[in-house]
Amino acid sequence: AQSVTQPDIHITVSEGASLELRCNYSYGATPYLFWYVQSPGQGLQLLLKYFSGDTLVQGIKGFEAEFKRSQSSFNLRKPSVHWSDAAEYFCAVGASTSYDKVIFGPGTSLSVIP
Amino acid sequence: GAGVSQSPSNKVTEKGKDVELRCDPISGHTALYWYRQSLGQGLEFLIYFQGNSAPDKSGLPSDRFSAERTGGSVSTLTIQRTQQEDSAVYLCASSSYPFRGEAGNTIYFGEGSWLTVV
Repeated sequence: AQSVTQPDIHITVSEGASLELRCNYSYGATPYLFWYVQSPGQGLQLLLKYFSGDTLVQGIKGFEAEFKRSQSSFNLRKPSVHWSDAAEYFCAVGASTSYDKVIFGPGTSLSVIP
Repeated sequence: GAGVSQSPSNKVTEKGKDVELRCDPISGHTALYWYRQSLGQGLEFLIYFQGNSAPDKSGLPSDRFSAERTGGSVSTLTIQRTQQEDSAVYLCASSSYPFRGEAGNTIYFGEGSWLTVV
């Protein structure tokens, strides 16, 4: 079965600074990988996903993520953070070769200092 | 429907009572998930339905929790003899299994059912 870890429980960055949120997964075959964002009091919104092909994936709101098979990682990045990016970020892994469930990581809470 | 619909949006119940939470997935989606999110916590997987296959119940925390999916569409999550630790937001999500060439089985979430056990 697959699993996901997000090593950072909470991150604080200054507005305008760059951001990288870490995600590591465990899965025996080629995974589907996702990043979701949950703003305070809001539902979960898909930021981006990796299925196959180019390992650098572009998403909404200026986010990107890079799939590194050798490191079993799918880190989320943004070059310049805005105050509105303060939210909870969840990495998730799904199976590409079987009818298996999607598992979410524990989440990273992002605070943005004006 | 256009999106995943959950009801009720809020439910307050007394300890020991049974509750039912309903999920209406996106039309045509074969996969349906239930997750639980406690205050300030991540998404805890509960149960997964995929087409006509037997559901994956590996995340259900106790035998007080059960779920069914009728006709491959609407799902009901039932919590019997509710306890205070059951208080959480219960999120339903659905996805379509990728057909050849389609890019990934994105999960679409409902707004959740907020359960408070007093």
